[in-house]
Amino acid sequence: QLTQSPSSLAASVGDRVTITCRASHDISTFLGWYQQKPGKAPKILIYAASTLHSGVPSRFSGSGSGTDFTLTISSLQPEDFATYFCQQLNTYPRIFGQGTKVEI
Amino acid sequence: QVHLQESGPGLVRPSQTLSLTCNVSGGSIYSGGSYWTWIRQRPGKGLEWIGYIYHNGNTHYNPSLKSRLAISVDTSKNVFSLSLSSVTAEDTAVYYCARDTYNNGWYYFDYWGQGIMVTVSS
Repeated sequence: QLTQSPSSLAASVGDRVTITCRASHDISTFLGWYQQKPGKAPKILIYAASTLHSGVPSRFSGSGSGTDFTLTISSLQPEDFATYFCQQLNTYPRIFGQGTKVEI
Repeated sequence: QVHLQESGPGLVRPSQTLSLTCNVSGGSIYSGGSYWTWIRQRPGKGLEWIGYIYHNGNTHYNPSLKSRLAISVDTSKNVFSLSLSSVTAEDTAVYYCARDTYNNGWYYFDYWGQGIMVTVSS
């Protein structure tokens, strides 16, 4: 099980935003982060807990290992308002967190 | 660039079978380390992993759906398919196909279809 917090947050352009994801057991660094905009499929941002996927802006970063993980957006941009999901990738079923909606 | 596209009916009657197909283009379904996956998202809810199939036919299903679920692959057509039987309103969701890729020791879902909305209703 993955628990994200907060479930939603309000922020402004330029803000630093931090989202946390807690796993119910040790998953090492087998964690990914995805961004989903309304009506669209999720897009991979980060895998292996901290590796930025190709083409993803460097303002996104991930950290953590074991059970506690963090996604940080260093300076929120207008296109970053979306819902973010974490996902464990060390076993099956591939569980997703419940999501964090980042709103203006 | 791999592209995935879901197709199938948007409306299914209760107790019937939901059948969807995912067409893979721009890459081969034989690609090593590619686990062809179905995910769904109920209205206003999070993402639920349904299961995957490998090109050799090996599958792994979500235990919560296993008794009603079958995922198949047609390598000659570069497609894989989902069949979910005895559906109820709880199966109403956007269904996505995606690739769970294994790359340098790590897994992640790198390509997704656009999603298809399936409503279960009489």
